[in-house]
Amino acid sequence: QQQVKQSPQSLIVQKGGISIINCAYENTAFDYFPWYQQFPGKGPALLIAIRPDVSEKKEGRFTISFNKSAKQFSLHIMDSQPGDSATYFCAANNNNDMRFGAGTRLTVKP
Amino acid sequence: SQTIHQWPATLVQPVGSPLSLECTVEGTSNPNLYWYRQAAGRGLQLLFYSVGIGQISSEVPQNLSASRPQDRQFILSSKKLLLSDSGFYLCAWSSFSGNNSPLHFGNGTRLTVT
Repeated sequence: QQQVKQSPQSLIVQKGGISIINCAYENTAFDYFPWYQQFPGKGPALLIAIRPDVSEKKEGRFTISFNKSAKQFSLHIMDSQPGDSATYFCAANNNNDMRFGAGTRLTVKP
Repeated sequence: SQTIHQWPATLVQPVGSPLSLECTVEGTSNPNLYWYRQAAGRGLQLLFYSVGIGQISSEVPQNLSASRPQDRQFILSSKKLLLSDSGFYLCAWSSFSGNNSPLHFGNGTRLTVT
């Protein structure tokens, strides 16, 4: 069964806008939450990650918000650019057992 | 620095033919190794993972198998491919030392079974 639920499935944002992708999990044993970015024909690449003892982590235009009590976390891409157009996966990890969401296809229109 | 190599990049095989996909990692020792499959428009499904030579864990029953003949080599095989085996296969590694190490993916193999 899907251990990590991701939404939306696809997202279209205008250049300069904010892209928001949400994920939810059930297993409270998960203790590491990375986001991956995948371009067509390539493998996913680690974008940013957070641990549950932190509520927010920011790296450049990318921010993870984490709500431990709700078992939800989200990726915010500020000032979205056409080069950000890719598929984004959230994931949750416990003891090197990484489970992925179904992915969000982001399109940033110029 | 660590690198991961997967080949071939694309492969077209007829139903019933065998399969062998290879993955090698450089620049690290005793990595955890993984095979994932990505179906079109879907997420990443874990197929196999290995914490050491000869140690393979399978996540889902299927006609695929994996082997780890050397520390940094991971092979995905099938004796007879099915149409449903088509997909994008990704090899990944993570550091053995330390819990919750990030996964590092190769560039994948696009397999089409005809």
